[in-house]
Amino acid sequence: DQQVKQNSPSLSVQEGRISILNCDYTNSMFDYFLWYKKYPAEGPTFLISISSIKDKNEDGRFTVFLNKSAKHLSLHIVPSQPGDSAVYFCAASPGSSNTGKLIFGQGTTLQVKP
Amino acid sequence: DTGVSQDPRHKITKRGQNVTFRCDPISEHNRLYWYRQTLGQGPEFLTYFQNEAQLEKSRLLSDRFSAERPKGSFSTLEIQRTEQGDSAMYLCASSPKRRATDTQYFGPGTRLTVL
Repeated sequence: DQQVKQNSPSLSVQEGRISILNCDYTNSMFDYFLWYKKYPAEGPTFLISISSIKDKNEDGRFTVFLNKSAKHLSLHIVPSQPGDSAVYFCAASPGSSNTGKLIFGQGTTLQVKP
Repeated sequence: DTGVSQDPRHKITKRGQNVTFRCDPISEHNRLYWYRQTLGQGPEFLTYFQNEAQLEKSRLLSDRFSAERPKGSFSTLEIQRTEQGDSAMYLCASSPKRRATDTQYFGPGTRLTVL
């Protein structure tokens, strides 16, 4: 069962515009959520995170929104830049686990066109 | 801080052979994770070490898979009698001990191809 889902395999936006990447989860025990970015031939790189006690976290051009009632989170990138083109993974951490293991979505490939 | 390193970066092997991958975490990171990523999917958790103790294993980790972290520093992941379904990217990550929610830093991965 896919506990974390990214239903859009790809997204294309124009440079300077907003990119919105979406993620849905099914397990209400998840209490910590992260976004990772992955370039080809590299490992995932941490981007931004949010605790379940918050509904928004912002870091520069990146903002993550969490809607617990809808079990939905989104990543906003404003303004989008060509260097943002990568695969973005949403991940969640079960609150019951002390290991910190992450459950990842399938990923969304973002292309930012100049 | 030189980051997480993995060796080899690529491995091609024939079905039935054994393979071993190595991961060197960031210095002084107590937590070490192994994940597997197949095409079109996100990374899937395999196993977790805190120092030298293997504290959790996924049901994905069949008895052909074994992982060690003998001195609480580097880790190895061995796959015995490889199958074509083992073809994937194997990712290692490490994080500080402080909290389970500490950021995990990933290595570049080892891409395994089983012919």
